[in-house]
Amino acid sequence: AQSVTQPDIHITVSEGASLELRCNYSYGATPYLFWYVQSPGQGLQLLLKYFSGDTLVQGIKGFEAEFKRSQSSFNLRKPSVHWSDAAEYFCAGINDYKLSFGAGTTVTVRA
Amino acid sequence: ETGVTQTPRHLVMGMTNKKSLKCEQHLGHNAMYWYKQSAKKPLELMFVYSLEERVENNSVPSRFSPECPNSSHLFLHLHTLQPEDSALYLCASSQVLLQGDLHFGNGTRLTVT
Repeated sequence: AQSVTQPDIHITVSEGASLELRCNYSYGATPYLFWYVQSPGQGLQLLLKYFSGDTLVQGIKGFEAEFKRSQSSFNLRKPSVHWSDAAEYFCAGINDYKLSFGAGTTVTVRA
Repeated sequence: ETGVTQTPRHLVMGMTNKKSLKCEQHLGHNAMYWYKQSAKKPLELMFVYSLEERVENNSVPSRFSPECPNSSHLFLHLHTLQPEDSALYLCASSQVLLQGDLHFGNGTRLTVT
């Protein structure tokens, strides 16, 4: 069974607008959670990670994510999107010593 | 510069061919991974090596054969593949096994004809 799910397959956002990508997890204990980004023709790059502590995590490229235990969510946000943020975004989590990825959300940025 | 280099970037092979994918990491990491990425599917973990020993094999068909001669190099040997094996094959490394902080290469786009 998939341990993380990304409900949105594709999101289109205007340049300069805010972005929020959803991720839900189904682990029992406090999970280790990650967000990765994959630009066209490239491998995945780690944006940020959550292990414990402060539930608001800052990452690279102006991204942040908030861990909400009550909602079993770890949503990724960016206040103002740039055209270079067009990519595929993957949520991932470690459970039972295995790293599982969500199916990804493709972000399109329109001018 | 990702620190993880994969060659070739693209590969087209027939079902009777034998080919190998190569991965090299320059980060001094102890664990290396092969993932398969197919369209609209989650990344599939294929093999995991820690300190050159295989620690995970997720029911991958025997037509895929990994090799890890040292902690910096990882190979995926391919033979008698099927068209459904066409995908992007990604190599990754991490400092510690299953740490989650993976460094990925740019992948090999494999097409089986």
